Amino acid sequence: ETGVTQTPRHLVMGMTNKKSLKCEQHLGHNAMYWYKQSAKKPLELMFVYSLEERVENNSVPSRFSPECPNSSHLFLHLHTLQPEDSALYLCASSQGFSYNEQFFGPGTRLTVL
Amino acid sequence: GDSVTQMEGPVTLSEEAFLTINCTYTATGYPSLFWYVQYPGEGLQLLLKATKADDKGSNKGFEATYRKETTSFHLEKGSVQVSDSAVYFCALVPSQGGSEKLVFGKGTKLTVNP
Repeated sequence: ETGVTQTPRHLVMGMTNKKSLKCEQHLGHNAMYWYKQSAKKPLELMFVYSLEERVENNSVPSRFSPECPNSSHLFLHLHTLQPEDSALYLCASSQGFSYNEQFFGPGTRLTVL
Repeated sequence: GDSVTQMEGPVTLSEEAFLTINCTYTATGYPSLFWYVQYPGEGLQLLLKATKADDKGSNKGFEATYRKETTSFHLEKGSVQVSDSAVYFCALVPSQGGSEKLVFGKGTKLTVNP
């Protein structure tokens, strides 16, 4: 595997389910990000991790819970989501705590019923 | 706050046509400016960037010039190909000393027909 990978690529869940999104980067980077991409809206930065510590949380509802166990892996744990949370969730990584050169994964298309 | 406005899509062109996608920004100081591209089914990729006024970023035949006086960073390509069909995002990072968040526009979908 190369670059940034995300699994699953597609996920359908009910409002009472608990699921997790996984991101893995194979670039030796030490910063990782979660973004939400909704139709007709700009990308929204959700969380930033640098050296496995969360450095930014953009007022994201608590039903989204990130986890970064090491510099190569990032998870987004989901529970009791709402239909308006349906979106493409993108993971990105960068070398150093820099927003200039971010490398993105293909995203997980999430549908909440 | 800082923001990016780009032209509404979708944009549909024939192969070899000239492309312009407009992007204007609102920010204090001298932000860094970027164009990212998202091909179908893939994540975003950095296409080009410019970090100071009058800089021109270029890559894969695409160009954009950082215009401080008009707060613009329009993307251009002289002759588009079918393979250029994608969604294009203009973005900025505010100048040093502020938050270093990437601020994105809404994206412009480009379709190039043979």
